[in-house]
Amino acid sequence: QLQLQESGPGLVKPSETLSLTCTVSGGSIKSGSYYWGWIRQPPGKGLEWIGSIFYSGTTYYNPSLESRITISVDTSNNQFSLKLRSVTAADTAIYYCTDLVATGTGRGYSDFWGQGTLVTVSS
Amino acid sequence: DIVLTQSPDSLAVSLGERATINCKSSQSVFYSSNNKNFLAWYQQKPGQPPKLLLYWASTRESGVPDRFSGSESGTDFTLTISSLQAEDVAVYYCQQYYSIPQTFGQGTKVEIK
Repeated sequence: QLQLQESGPGLVKPSETLSLTCTVSGGSIKSGSYYWGWIRQPPGKGLEWIGSIFYSGTTYYNPSLESRITISVDTSNNQFSLKLRSVTAADTAIYYCTDLVATGTGRGYSDFWGQGTLVTVSS
Repeated sequence: DIVLTQSPDSLAVSLGERATINCKSSQSVFYSSNNKNFLAWYQQKPGQPPKLLLYWASTRESGVPDRFSGSESGTDFTLTISSLQAEDVAVYYCQQYYSIPQTFGQGTKVEIK
Protein backbone atom coordinates (compact mmCIF):
# COMPACT_ATOMS: atom_id res chain seq x y z
CA GLN A 1 0.00 0.00 0.00
CA LEU A 2 1.01 3.57 -0.50
CA GLN A 3 3.11 5.43 2.03
CA LEU A 4 3.67 9.16 1.90
CA GLN A 5 6.22 11.17 3.87
CA GLU A 6 6.55 14.92 4.06
CA SER A 7 9.92 16.60 4.49
CA GLY A 8 11.10 20.17 4.76
CA PRO A 9 11.91 22.94 7.23
CA GLY A 10 9.75 23.27 10.28
CA LEU A 11 10.38 26.99 10.63
CA VAL A 12 10.06 29.64 7.95
CA LYS A 13 10.48 33.38 8.32
CA PRO A 14 7.68 35.76 7.36
CA SER A 15 7.75 36.83 3.69
CA GLU A 16 9.92 33.85 2.75
CA THR A 17 8.99 30.70 0.83
CA LEU A 18 7.76 27.49 2.44
CA SER A 19 9.06 24.43 0.60
CA LEU A 20 7.94 20.87 1.28
CA THR A 21 8.48 17.59 -0.50
CA CYS A 22 6.39 14.44 -0.32
CA THR A 23 8.04 11.11 -1.05
CA VAL A 24 5.73 8.36 -2.22
CA SER A 25 6.58 4.71 -1.65
CA GLY A 26 4.72 1.48 -2.20
CA GLY A 27 3.50 2.60 -5.58
CA SER A 28 4.34 4.73 -8.57
CA ILE A 29 3.54 8.40 -8.68
CA LYS A 30 2.94 7.81 -12.39
CA SER A 31 -0.22 5.85 -11.67
CA GLY A 32 -3.06 7.23 -13.70
CA SER A 33 -5.44 6.34 -10.88
CA TYR A 34 -4.29 9.10 -8.58
CA TYR A 35 -3.72 12.76 -8.23
CA TRP A 36 -1.33 13.93 -5.54
CA GLY A 37 -2.28 16.67 -3.17
CA TRP A 38 -1.52 18.94 -0.28
CA ILE A 39 -3.88 19.71 2.59
CA ARG A 40 -3.11 21.86 5.61
CA GLN A 41 -4.48 22.26 9.11
CA PRO A 42 -3.72 25.21 11.37
CA PRO A 43 -3.14 24.03 14.94
CA GLY A 44 -6.46 23.19 16.56
CA LYS A 45 -8.44 24.08 13.45
CA GLY A 46 -9.98 22.45 10.39
CA LEU A 47 -8.67 21.17 7.08
CA GLU A 48 -7.92 23.25 3.98
CA TRP A 49 -7.28 21.78 0.53
CA ILE A 50 -4.28 23.48 -1.06
CA GLY A 51 -4.03 21.84 -4.45
CA SER A 52 -3.25 18.74 -6.46
CA ILE A 53 -1.10 17.56 -9.33
CA PHE A 54 -1.17 14.73 -11.87
CA TYR A 55 2.04 12.93 -12.74
CA SER A 56 2.02 14.69 -16.10
CA GLY A 57 2.51 17.96 -14.24
CA THR A 58 -1.02 19.34 -14.61
CA THR A 59 -1.91 21.27 -11.48
CA TYR A 60 -5.10 22.31 -9.73
CA TYR A 61 -4.95 24.99 -7.07
CA ASN A 62 -7.22 26.45 -4.43
CA PRO A 63 -8.06 29.90 -5.80
CA SER A 64 -7.54 31.37 -2.34
CA LEU A 65 -3.85 30.40 -2.50
CA GLU A 66 -3.23 30.21 -6.23
CA SER A 67 -1.21 33.41 -6.48
CA ARG A 68 1.32 32.11 -3.95
CA ILE A 69 1.65 28.38 -4.58
CA THR A 70 3.43 26.08 -6.96
CA ILE A 71 3.03 22.31 -6.87
CA SER A 72 5.45 20.26 -8.92
CA VAL A 73 6.22 16.59 -9.51
CA ASP A 74 9.48 14.66 -9.86
CA THR A 75 8.57 11.30 -11.33
CA SER A 76 12.16 10.06 -11.35
CA ASN A 77 12.26 10.27 -7.56
CA ASN A 78 8.57 9.49 -6.94
CA GLN A 79 8.11 12.83 -5.24
CA PHE A 80 5.95 15.89 -5.46
CA SER A 81 6.53 19.26 -3.88
CA LEU A 82 4.82 22.38 -2.58
CA LYS A 83 6.13 25.93 -2.60
CA LEU A 84 4.18 28.65 -0.81
CA ARG A 85 5.57 32.14 -1.26
CA SER A 86 5.33 35.23 0.91
CA VAL A 87 4.26 33.35 4.01
CA THR A 88 2.73 34.96 7.08
CA ALA A 89 1.80 33.65 10.51
CA ALA A 90 -1.55 32.62 9.02
CA ASP A 91 0.29 29.96 7.03
CA THR A 92 1.41 28.21 10.23
CA ALA A 93 -0.11 24.76 9.97
CA ILE A 94 0.40 21.04 9.78
CA TYR A 95 0.91 20.27 6.11
CA TYR A 96 -0.22 16.87 4.87
CA CYS A 97 0.50 15.25 1.55
CA THR A 98 -2.06 12.78 0.27
CA ASP A 99 -3.08 10.78 -2.70
CA LEU A 100 -6.38 11.61 -4.35
CA VAL A 101 -8.19 8.65 -5.83
CA ALA A 102 -9.08 10.16 -9.17
CA THR A 103 -12.81 10.72 -9.44
CA GLY A 104 -12.70 13.76 -11.68
CA THR A 105 -10.25 16.25 -13.07
CA GLY A 106 -7.85 17.14 -10.26
CA ARG A 107 -10.20 15.77 -7.63
CA GLY A 108 -10.70 12.75 -5.45
CA TYR A 109 -10.91 11.38 -1.95
CA SER A 110 -7.74 10.70 0.03
CA ASP A 111 -7.18 7.17 1.23
CA PHE A 112 -3.50 7.58 2.12
CA TRP A 113 -1.99 10.45 4.06
CA GLY A 114 1.45 11.40 5.24
CA GLN A 115 1.88 11.89 8.97
CA GLY A 116 2.00 15.63 8.44
CA THR A 117 4.68 18.18 9.18
CA LEU A 118 4.21 21.27 11.31
CA VAL A 119 5.50 24.40 9.64
CA THR A 120 5.71 27.48 11.82
CA VAL A 121 6.06 30.92 10.32
CA SER A 122 7.97 33.10 12.71
CA SER A 123 10.95 35.40 12.77
CA ASP B 1 -16.72 27.34 -3.28
CA ILE B 2 -19.02 24.65 -1.91
CA VAL B 3 -19.61 25.21 1.80
CA LEU B 4 -20.13 22.18 4.02
CA THR B 5 -21.74 22.86 7.37
CA GLN B 6 -21.55 20.14 9.99
CA SER B 7 -23.79 19.79 13.00
CA PRO B 8 -23.38 19.59 15.85
CA ASP B 9 -19.93 21.01 16.49
CA SER B 10 -19.53 18.49 19.28
CA LEU B 11 -21.48 15.70 20.90
CA ALA B 12 -21.10 13.39 23.85
CA VAL B 13 -22.53 9.90 23.56
CA SER B 14 -22.57 7.00 25.98
CA LEU B 15 -20.62 3.90 25.09
CA GLY B 16 -22.74 1.59 22.97
CA GLU B 17 -25.14 4.34 21.98
CA ARG B 18 -25.67 5.87 18.54
CA ALA B 19 -23.83 8.96 17.36
CA THR B 20 -25.14 10.96 14.42
CA ILE B 21 -23.27 13.71 12.59
CA ASN B 22 -24.81 15.84 9.88
CA CYS B 23 -23.19 17.59 6.94
CA LYS B 24 -25.15 20.01 4.79
CA SER B 25 -23.77 21.11 1.44
CA SER B 26 -24.43 24.56 0.00
CA GLN B 27 -25.05 22.97 -3.38
CA SER B 28 -25.49 19.57 -4.92
CA VAL B 29 -22.46 17.29 -5.06
CA PHE B 30 -24.35 14.68 -7.07
CA TYR B 31 -22.98 13.75 -10.45
CA SER B 32 -25.65 12.24 -12.65
CA SER B 33 -23.18 10.53 -14.98
CA ASN B 34 -22.30 8.00 -12.29
CA ASN B 35 -25.28 8.52 -9.99
CA LYS B 36 -23.06 9.26 -7.01
CA ASN B 37 -22.57 11.95 -4.41
CA PHE B 38 -18.98 13.16 -4.32
CA LEU B 39 -18.70 13.24 -0.53
CA ALA B 40 -16.33 11.56 1.90
CA TRP B 41 -16.09 11.25 5.66
CA TYR B 42 -12.86 11.23 7.66
CA GLN B 43 -11.96 10.50 11.26
CA GLN B 44 -9.09 12.34 12.91
CA LYS B 45 -7.63 11.38 16.25
CA PRO B 46 -5.26 13.70 18.14
CA GLY B 47 -1.79 13.83 16.65
CA GLN B 48 -2.80 11.74 13.62
CA PRO B 49 -3.69 12.51 10.02
CA PRO B 50 -7.30 12.09 8.98
CA LYS B 51 -8.41 8.58 8.14
CA LEU B 52 -10.84 7.89 5.33
CA LEU B 53 -14.03 6.23 6.59
CA LEU B 54 -16.53 6.55 3.75
CA TYR B 55 -16.52 7.76 0.16
CA TRP B 56 -19.33 8.20 -2.36
CA ALA B 57 -21.24 9.27 0.78
CA SER B 58 -21.87 5.72 1.95
CA THR B 59 -19.18 3.31 0.70
CA ARG B 60 -17.04 2.10 3.57
CA GLU B 61 -13.31 2.13 3.08
CA SER B 62 -11.65 -1.26 3.45
CA GLY B 63 -11.10 -2.15 7.10
CA VAL B 64 -13.57 0.36 8.51
CA PRO B 65 -15.94 -1.27 11.03
CA ASP B 66 -19.52 -1.67 9.89
CA ARG B 67 -20.77 0.39 12.82
CA PHE B 68 -19.85 3.37 10.63
CA SER B 69 -22.42 4.13 7.96
CA GLY B 70 -23.37 7.03 5.73
CA SER B 71 -26.60 8.21 4.24
CA GLU B 72 -27.71 11.01 1.98
CA SER B 73 -30.82 13.01 1.20
CA GLY B 74 -30.33 15.68 -1.43
CA THR B 75 -27.66 18.00 -0.07
CA ASP B 76 -27.86 16.58 3.46
CA PHE B 77 -25.49 13.84 4.52
CA THR B 78 -25.26 11.85 7.72
CA LEU B 79 -22.51 9.81 9.34
CA THR B 80 -23.82 7.36 11.90
CA ILE B 81 -21.82 5.40 14.44
CA SER B 82 -24.30 2.74 15.46
CA SER B 83 -22.68 1.72 18.74
CA LEU B 84 -20.02 4.10 19.98
CA GLN B 85 -16.77 2.54 21.10
CA ALA B 86 -14.03 4.20 23.15
CA GLU B 87 -11.72 4.20 20.13
CA ASP B 88 -14.23 6.28 18.16
CA VAL B 89 -13.42 9.41 20.16
CA ALA B 90 -12.19 11.76 17.45
CA VAL B 91 -13.06 14.68 15.24
CA TYR B 92 -15.03 13.79 12.13
CA TYR B 93 -14.96 15.76 8.88
CA CYS B 94 -17.00 15.61 5.73
CA GLN B 95 -15.35 16.58 2.44
CA GLN B 96 -16.70 17.22 -1.02
CA TYR B 97 -14.65 16.23 -4.03
CA TYR B 98 -17.24 17.37 -6.57
CA SER B 99 -15.50 20.59 -7.47
CA ILE B 100 -12.29 22.50 -6.97
CA PRO B 101 -11.45 23.69 -4.46
CA GLN B 102 -12.30 20.58 -2.53
CA THR B 103 -13.71 21.70 0.79
CA PHE B 104 -14.23 20.26 4.24
CA GLY B 105 -16.81 20.75 6.92
CA GLN B 106 -15.61 22.44 10.09
CA GLY B 107 -15.48 19.18 12.00
CA THR B 108 -17.52 17.50 14.74
CA LYS B 109 -15.88 16.38 17.95
CA VAL B 110 -17.23 13.13 19.38
CA GLU B 111 -16.65 12.36 23.05
CA ILE B 112 -17.81 9.79 25.56
CA LYS B 113 -20.57 10.84 27.91
